[in-house]
Amino acid sequence: DTEVTQTPKHLVMGMTNKKSLKCEQHMGHRAMYWYKQKAKKPPELMFVYSYEKLSINESVPSRFSPECPNSSLLNLHLHALQPEDSALYLCASSLRQGGWGNTEAFFGQGTRLTVV
Amino acid sequence: GIQVEQSPPDLILQEGANSTLRCNFSDSVNNLQWFHQNPWGQLINLFYIPSGTKQNGRLSATTVATERYSLLYISSSQTTDSGVYFCAVEISSSGSARQLTFGSGTQLTVLP
Repeated sequence: DTEVTQTPKHLVMGMTNKKSLKCEQHMGHRAMYWYKQKAKKPPELMFVYSYEKLSINESVPSRFSPECPNSSLLNLHLHALQPEDSALYLCASSLRQGGWGNTEAFFGQGTRLTVV
Repeated sequence: GIQVEQSPPDLILQEGANSTLRCNFSDSVNNLQWFHQNPWGQLINLFYIPSGTKQNGRLSATTVATERYSLLYISSSQTTDSGVYFCAVEISSSGSARQLTFGSGTQLTVLP
């Protein structure tokens, strides 16, 4: 099983709302990632968790707040977003974060977020 | 940071034709992956290929790590092959900041 599950698939939220995106994997992977993808652009890394600890924050605004409650789950809490934050948000996981050996990453199907 | 360049940016083929997509990268890599992004946004793993050659049905890939490029071959293309193909790499020298960096992609359209 190489499945990464993201919920919800679609989300429309107002600029004053608080919402959360969820990501789950049961492959025993210890690295999990959030990427943001705008239309006709490649995915861009937002956050990396390695062994449930935040490893990389690519200078993401504080209105995006990641959380890794355990090795299988990754959340992205959203608050006071702007319309320009509308995008496809992709979660991924890999056995570990980089290094030698197989570090193949697997992606979820994404959450398409619209901020109104 | 690492540069990942993909070519061509756009490719239109007739069904049944063959094609080659290229990915050039600027540094030594630990990890190189090819993905197909379907119209619904799902990134589908095609190959994990930091070096060497692999084949999977009508698709094959070759990475020449010493010359810093990778090629994805699609033979006998089908309309379902349409979508964006991404190459993504993780460089060897990034220490604790290891991460996948994506190229800009190749938009493939296969016409019936």
